[in-house]
Amino acid sequence: AQSVTQLDSHVSVSEGTPVLLRCNYSSSYSPSLFWYVQHPNKGLQLLLKYTSAATLVKGINGFEAEFKKSETSFHLTKPSAHMSDAAEYFCVVSGGDTGFQKLVFGTGTRLLVSP
Amino acid sequence: EAGVAQSPRYKIIEKRQSVAFWCNPISGHATLYWYQQILGQGPKLLIQFQNNGVVDDSQLPKDRFSAERLKGVDSTLKIQPAKLEDSAVYLCASSLGRGSPSGNTIYFGEGSWLTVV
Repeated sequence: AQSVTQLDSHVSVSEGTPVLLRCNYSSSYSPSLFWYVQHPNKGLQLLLKYTSAATLVKGINGFEAEFKKSETSFHLTKPSAHMSDAAEYFCVVSGGDTGFQKLVFGTGTRLLVSP
Repeated sequence: EAGVAQSPRYKIIEKRQSVAFWCNPISGHATLYWYQQILGQGPKLLIQFQNNGVVDDSQLPKDRFSAERLKGVDSTLKIQPAKLEDSAVYLCASSLGRGSPSGNTIYFGEGSWLTVV
C-alpha cells in the first residue's frame, strides 16, 4: 500500500521569504513522487516529478524538491515566495505491482502569501 | 498540445436527479482517470481505464455512479440518483499509460463542479 502525509494543512509566508512544504511518503515499491498545484477554481498543474533519476528535482516557477529515501520525505521548497504562489499544493505518490500507474494524493497544504 | 477537456464546467442539480460529465483526454493517451475532489480534501480515484477496459473501480459507488470509455477515447461519468454528498469537483486526467517513458506524467482537466441541492 502507498500513502503520503502532508505535515501541514496551512503554511503562511511573507512575499520574498522561503517556502517549505513538507511531505512524507510510504511505499512498498520504488515510488514515483509528484507535486501538483491547484489555484482557486482551476485544475491540477504538475509542478515537478521524481522518477528515480536525480534526487534533487527542479520544477516550474522556481520550485524544487529533494527525494530522501532514508527519511521517506519529498519536501517542496522555493527560495523566495511570490504572491502568485498562493494556492493548494498536493504531494502525490505513484507506483504499484500491477503495472498500471495509480496516484495517491495527500490531503493538501494551503500556501498563504502575505505582502 | 491540447489538454484534457471536460464539460460541463459547472452543474447544479437537485438531489435524486441525474447528471453526466464528459471527458476528452489528450490524444494518444491510453490511460484515463476520474477523480472526485470534495472541498478541502485531496482528489480520490473513482475509476481508471486502460484503453476501454477498467483497471480499478474499487472506490466507485456502483449503486449510483457509472462510467464508460467506449472506443478507448472519450469517457462519460454518470451519477444517478445524485445525493447531497456528491457535491464535489470531478476531475478527469489522462496519461500515456504503461510502458511509456513519460507515462508517469498525468495531466488533469480543469474539472466539472457539481452542486447538489
